[in-house]
Amino acid sequence: NAGVMQNPRHLVRRRGQEARLRCSPMKGHSHVYWYRQLPEEGLKFMVYLQKENIIDESGMPKERFSAEFPKEGPSILRIQQVVRGDSAAYFCASSQTGTGGSGNTIYFGEGSWLTVV
Amino acid sequence: AQSVTQLDSQVPVFEEAPVELRCNYSSSVSVYLFWYVQYPNQGLQLLLKYLSGSTLVKGINGFEAEFNKSQTSFHLRKPSVHISDTAEYFCAVRNSGGGADGLTFGKGTHLIIQP
Repeated sequence: NAGVMQNPRHLVRRRGQEARLRCSPMKGHSHVYWYRQLPEEGLKFMVYLQKENIIDESGMPKERFSAEFPKEGPSILRIQQVVRGDSAAYFCASSQTGTGGSGNTIYFGEGSWLTVV
Repeated sequence: AQSVTQLDSQVPVFEEAPVELRCNYSSSVSVYLFWYVQYPNQGLQLLLKYLSGSTLVKGINGFEAEFNKSQTSFHLRKPSVHISDTAEYFCAVRNSGGGADGLTFGKGTHLIIQP
């Protein structure tokens, strides 16, 4: 039973390039979350998606960042024109349901470490 | 709005000694509570969770936590730590009453086990 799968695990981009991070939720999970962990800080919520819908993007920077969770395929976090400050670990998580009941436990992937040079 | 405070950024403890990692939260609604552990360069692993019922919850690796509603705390404890417990520990809360939001995390506590 595979957990939350993220790739790539490590990504190096030059300033101005685009970064795409992919996330496949656990089997049977239809809720996906993206978090960012900056050095020496905790995790910050970015966006919450269900299939084909963005439910809450209150933690997403207003520019250059976007996320999607298509009907088929993984969720994608896209960062355009990356800058050095985007260097961080990006974690994807999934849950079976949004809220309520035992299905609301959120499980995390191993993370994608983005380095902008 | 919710917030989580982990009072200690680092906790050094000798091997086989007991440890308590403190977590306090603030929320205008009822919440679920979680502790996650992160080993170096890895993702987060769920240690334990409080959803309802008994306020003392037991998790993996010998950890337990107690939910104290009056003190809005959810401290993590282990009676005897091992070198392999060295990691970053995150306390988190989530709205239990519905709505669309994820976890709110504390800044983490780095548990350092000394031989």
